[in-house]
Amino acid sequence: DAGITQSPRHKVTETGTPVTLRCHQTENHRYMYWYRQDPGHGLRLIHYSYGVKDTDKGEVSDGYSVSRSKTEDFLLTLESATSSQTSVYFCAISEGGSLRFFGEGSRLTVL
Amino acid sequence: GEDVEQSLFLSVREGDSSVINCTYTDSSSTYLYWYKQEPGAGLQLLTYIFSNMDMKQDQRLTVLLNKKDKHLSLRIADTQTGDSAIYFCAPVQGNDMRFGAGTRLTVKP
Repeated sequence: DAGITQSPRHKVTETGTPVTLRCHQTENHRYMYWYRQDPGHGLRLIHYSYGVKDTDKGEVSDGYSVSRSKTEDFLLTLESATSSQTSVYFCAISEGGSLRFFGEGSRLTVL
Repeated sequence: GEDVEQSLFLSVREGDSSVINCTYTDSSSTYLYWYKQEPGAGLQLLTYIFSNMDMKQDQRLTVLLNKKDKHLSLRIADTQTGDSAIYFCAPVQGNDMRFGAGTRLTVKP
């Protein structure tokens, strides 16, 4: 298994609170991604990073921000969580080709 | 419509073959991946095919690609209960990977 750790694995929070999800990798891969998984939609890209401090938006970036201060860590922040952000969030890594390896997921519930 | 479409459900009997189908819209896709997701877990790479290939076989898995019709299929021979999972088709163009909604395969004993 690729060395990817997501934390927390489960979180319940209230509308309007800030939330940060962490993805940590031990593979020294250049690219890191955040996806959300919702029934009927598969996985949709939120943001990705192509290096330290280099990030870009994905398909569903509204309401999310990211940061990458070290190669191994990629943080996803919801500044003010909403119920529509209840989802399962997956981190993925890639060395630059198209192949991606995925973490185990973080289930977020916003009440 | 969606860029990548899959049937949502498939049910087979143990020992039968399963065929999961996928259609996509981007004809310039270079690699096409199949991922498997078991309950409560992340996505596990199953297999992939290059766009210049028609078929790829890997033990019980056979991938067929029809580029003209933009149709991809995954055949699992001798399906086992451990194959019960959600299967995602994911074509890639450049650095952009798109996912279908996933096909939930149920294997009945």
